[in-house]
Amino acid sequence: DGGITQSPKYLFRKEGQNVTLSCEQNLNHDAMYWYRQDPGQGLRLIYYSQIVNDFQKGDIAEGYSVSREKKESFPLTVTSAQKNPTAFYLCASSITGQSGGYTFGSGTRLTVV
Amino acid sequence: AQSVTQLDSQVPVFEEAPVELRCNYSSSVSVYLFWYVQYPNQGLQLLLKYLSGSTLVKGINGFEAEFNKSQTSFHLRKPSVHISDTAEYFCAVSDQGQAGTALIFGKGTTLSVSS
Repeated sequence: DGGITQSPKYLFRKEGQNVTLSCEQNLNHDAMYWYRQDPGQGLRLIYYSQIVNDFQKGDIAEGYSVSREKKESFPLTVTSAQKNPTAFYLCASSITGQSGGYTFGSGTRLTVV
Repeated sequence: AQSVTQLDSQVPVFEEAPVELRCNYSSSVSVYLFWYVQYPNQGLQLLLKYLSGSTLVKGINGFEAEFNKSQTSFHLRKPSVHISDTAEYFCAVSDQGQAGTALIFGKGTTLSVSS
């Protein structure tokens, strides 16, 4: 079955460490997205990519980095520059053009201690 | 810039009662509109979408939504809710003319169904 996989589901890191969240899809979607979810704030866009080797900053890109070396993969690195990284992170993919909506992964809950 | 306002952060309702979750958007161009549902500690699942045509859109799990262009609204309704409908619901909008942009989400409405 086609889908989008995020790993790990739960992640704990010490303050000051970089951490990379994995997102893989086998839907042959061109576009991929990373959102951050905090209670009461909805989903806020971190980065998105419409094609391989290209990506754009979203509304809250500071302290995050991404790469898109393969169509199937869009990993997100949370760097030590991110002031408040504890959150639920959601990855999504879509066909180009938005009309199909997004397919979401099941999320990664990152806790920084 | 586009924005989405979900007018109620929490909606409590009894089982088998009707429910309406309200969503308003702001945009100066034609839009696509979506409703998603999220169960605890899971990703979002598409409930329904409006692309064009009929303003009444039917989705999964008995939900429907009506697009009202003059009021820039896309309210979600269900005539009779179940305990299993307890979840968070998100409204989202995108610009039809700009394929390279991302969906804009509202802050969500928590639907709590009790017996």
